[in-house]
Amino acid sequence: EDKVVQSPLSLVVHEGDTVTLNCSYEVTNFRSLLWYKQEKKAPTFLFMLTSSGIEKKSGRLSSILDKKELFSILNITATQTGDSAVYLCAVWNTGNQFYFGTGTSLTVIP
Amino acid sequence: NAGVTQTPKFRVLKTGQSMTLLCAQDMNHEYMYWYRQDPGMGLRLIHYSVGEGTTAKGEVPDGYNVSRLKKQNFLLGLESAAPSQTSVYFCASSSGYWEVPYEQYFGPGTRLTVT
Repeated sequence: EDKVVQSPLSLVVHEGDTVTLNCSYEVTNFRSLLWYKQEKKAPTFLFMLTSSGIEKKSGRLSSILDKKELFSILNITATQTGDSAVYLCAVWNTGNQFYFGTGTSLTVIP
Repeated sequence: NAGVTQTPKFRVLKTGQSMTLLCAQDMNHEYMYWYRQDPGMGLRLIHYSVGEGTTAKGEVPDGYNVSRLKKQNFLLGLESAAPSQTSVYFCASSSGYWEVPYEQYFGPGTRLTVT
């Protein structure tokens, strides 16, 4: 059964801390792994990773994929209260199916 | 440039009623998707389309039908609503996986309650 597991389920940190969110997967015919940020409403796309070992970076967020060990991490440095959200990971397979994890809820305290 | 829009934003149906949710995008994206999001379940793909005139089943297609007669629109239909279909429905559109940069956008969601 195809599945995507995220950890931790929730995280509370103080502003300025660095956090690492984890996503492991067991999905047949892997194409890409995607990260999203979901605040109150719709998810916002952050990154798509297709190749192992190549870091994607956007400001204070960065992500990397390990296709051998079947996981990805999302790092957020110097966290701000605006980073508080649920972070979702999804795997896209070559059959055009998307499998989402249940997300990591991040709360950043001032 | 409105991005991805969904109509309606909220709806309450009685069991057995039918309805259609409309998704529209103005980014000329080939790919469009319908998801449902339930507490503790994450997002689940219902149906998707890789281009005008095409549709395919996702992970949870039962009880739903879709159509993509125009590239910019993707319709999700419920023929006979059931309480198990109470959920938040999101539409999304994206470029092809081969395109650089890859982009993907979600609509604001439709909250559907079936009583």
